[in-house]
Amino acid sequence: DAKTTQPPSMDCAEGRAANLPCNHSTISGNEYVYWYRQIHSQGPQYIIHGLKNNETNEMASLIITEDRKSSTLILPHATLRDTAVYYCIVPPRKTYSGAGSYQLTFGKGTKLSVIP
Amino acid sequence: GAVVSQHPSRVICKSGTSVKIECRSLDFQATTMFWYRQFPKQSLMLMATSNEGSKATYEQGVEKDKFLINHASLTLSTLTVTSAHPEDSSFYICSARGGGNAEAFFGQGTRLTVV
Repeated sequence: DAKTTQPPSMDCAEGRAANLPCNHSTISGNEYVYWYRQIHSQGPQYIIHGLKNNETNEMASLIITEDRKSSTLILPHATLRDTAVYYCIVPPRKTYSGAGSYQLTFGKGTKLSVIP
Repeated sequence: GAVVSQHPSRVICKSGTSVKIECRSLDFQATTMFWYRQFPKQSLMLMATSNEGSKATYEQGVEKDKFLINHASLTLSTLTVTSAHPEDSSFYICSARGGGNAEAFFGQGTRLTVV
């Protein structure tokens, strides 16, 4: 399984870009990188996912290095509501199936605090 | 994103009773649903995975006779905590995937307190 490593905590000034790193050096060639976040006392929220190319959506951008051993989630203009625990997850390829039953295993994530 | 609704959001029950938690996918058919448990200051722990119409697959250490999972339709899964005890008090979260989505979506969670 591709294990991920994230810093336990980060601070970011409101309005600035938040760059959250993730190391996944044992990722296999066809395994995706997923990012979720969990705001206190809520269920996790999907943010973005990618395989090789950089991805962008209305919430964030995902930058994946060429060797795919690490990635960075970028929140371009952090707000106080972005304060949450951010999880970088690489579901094991072996749990993919035609029914899409891949499993998300949550580590400790990065606690992002956006400061006014 | 797709919507997953979980009910109830909070429940308090007496020790020895059973509690049922519902998880519904509102705008897509969930071929696979997952149930997680989260204790205070800890991360989510996967309890079981269920495919519609099949028996759930439980993670190691999770008692299948205590945590009954039913996934009888493509939009509904239920988790029943039987003979609940105070140590079962936790935040229970469901997740659903399907409808051609590559990502899984989560319910808002259920805070269970057993007194």
